[in-house]
Amino acid sequence: NAGVTQTPKFQVLKTGQSMTLQCAQDMNHEYMSWYRQDPGMGLRLIHYSVGAGITDQGEVPNGYNVSRSTTEDFPLRLLSAAPSQTSVYFCASSYSSGSTYEQYFGPGTRLTVT
Amino acid sequence: DQQVKQNSPSLSVQEGRISILNCDYTNSMFDYFLWYKKYPAEGPTFLISISSIKDKNEDGRFTVFLNKSAKHLSLHIVPSQPGDSAVYFCAASAISNQFYFGTGTSLTVIP
Repeated sequence: NAGVTQTPKFQVLKTGQSMTLQCAQDMNHEYMSWYRQDPGMGLRLIHYSVGAGITDQGEVPNGYNVSRSTTEDFPLRLLSAAPSQTSVYFCASSYSSGSTYEQYFGPGTRLTVT
Repeated sequence: DQQVKQNSPSLSVQEGRISILNCDYTNSMFDYFLWYKKYPAEGPTFLISISSIKDKNEDGRFTVFLNKSAKHLSLHIVPSQPGDSAVYFCAASAISNQFYFGTGTSLTVIP
């Protein structure tokens, strides 16, 4: 089991460029999420998915798109990068078992937009 | 507006002593709470959770206490070990699998 994998680990973009952050999980989890972590802000939810074909917005969705065509993959797209999107991005997958949930996080992608 | 708050950015504790990390929340709809541990350059890892129907949950050296009336939860680590040094995040959920995180507390356990 690789768990949750994210690529790339580091990325530098120029303002206005686009890119896709990749996320994959091999645990057959229904739920997947993208967070960003900024200094003094904790982790904030960008978008999430409750299953293939179903996505929804989190706290800070502006400037990001997602899709979920398979259970395993949940890519995050930046359409036109801005310096405010400089952050560390974490992908997570989770399952629920009755009344308990547990999230597994990937190692993160550190993105710098200049 | 931060719905989950960790007001202590850092905490230092001697090895063997108790570490107490605190977390407050504002949304009374939150019914599930989790603690995560994070080392530098890694993703958070799940530590322990508690449902709102309980006021305490224990797992080895880690105990989480929930005070619903005060909208407060705490994580106790006893005894603290140097390997516990990390950033700890609390998180809360009102809807399945949508989590709100606090800003984190950096714990340093001094040998």
